Amino acid sequence: AQKITQTQPGMFVQEKEAVTLDCTYDTSDQSYGLFWYKQPSSGEMIFLIYQGSYDEQNATEGRYSLNFQKARKSANLVISASQLGDSAMYFCAMREGDAGGTSYGKLTFGQGTILTVHP
Amino acid sequence: ETGVTQTPRHLVMGMTNKKSLKCEQHLGHNAMYWYKQSAKKPLELMFVYSLEERVENNSVPSRFSPECPNSSHLFLHLHTLQPEDSALYLCASSLHDSSFEQYFGPGTRLTVT
Repeated sequence: AQKITQTQPGMFVQEKEAVTLDCTYDTSDQSYGLFWYKQPSSGEMIFLIYQGSYDEQNATEGRYSLNFQKARKSANLVISASQLGDSAMYFCAMREGDAGGTSYGKLTFGQGTILTVHP
Repeated sequence: ETGVTQTPRHLVMGMTNKKSLKCEQHLGHNAMYWYKQSAKKPLELMFVYSLEERVENNSVPSRFSPECPNSSHLFLHLHTLQPEDSALYLCASSLHDSSFEQYFGPGTRLTVT
């Protein structure tokens, strides 16, 4: 079974509107972290936002917020006020880690969602 | 500029060639990573180095050989590759191998002919 599932291969949004990119995950660990990365056409992966499994508040970073629903195992990314420069591939990722152990920074990525922002 | 650089940015090689990918981080980090990004597949972790010691080898074929001479440099030596090895190879670094945030380089686009 896939550990990270992004069901939207592509999404379109009008400039200045909000968009939600879906991500569900599968883990039996109690301690884990969820990440979103942006990959423009230039190739580099840009870290956007992080949510820890024990964090009670949803993470926010500027126009990015993470809608964390632990019981449903979902970690959707919300981008508010979309800009043309937001057009890119977006990846959801998870790092699992048991208390007292280490996963050596191993991130498991989803398939990605291509976001296109229209003017 | 993310502080992680990779060279070359593009590489075309034959199946009998030997080549190396280079990654350099200017962030003072202690952990470095190699990832493979193939078309239509999720990003896959290949290797993890922590303080110049390999701590994870994610079932990668021996035709890929990593080298970490110091905490700032990471190499991926390539030998006798197959066409299915064509992919974007991304290097990343983090302060420690337990750090949550990884900083990625721009990647090397490899084509094996």
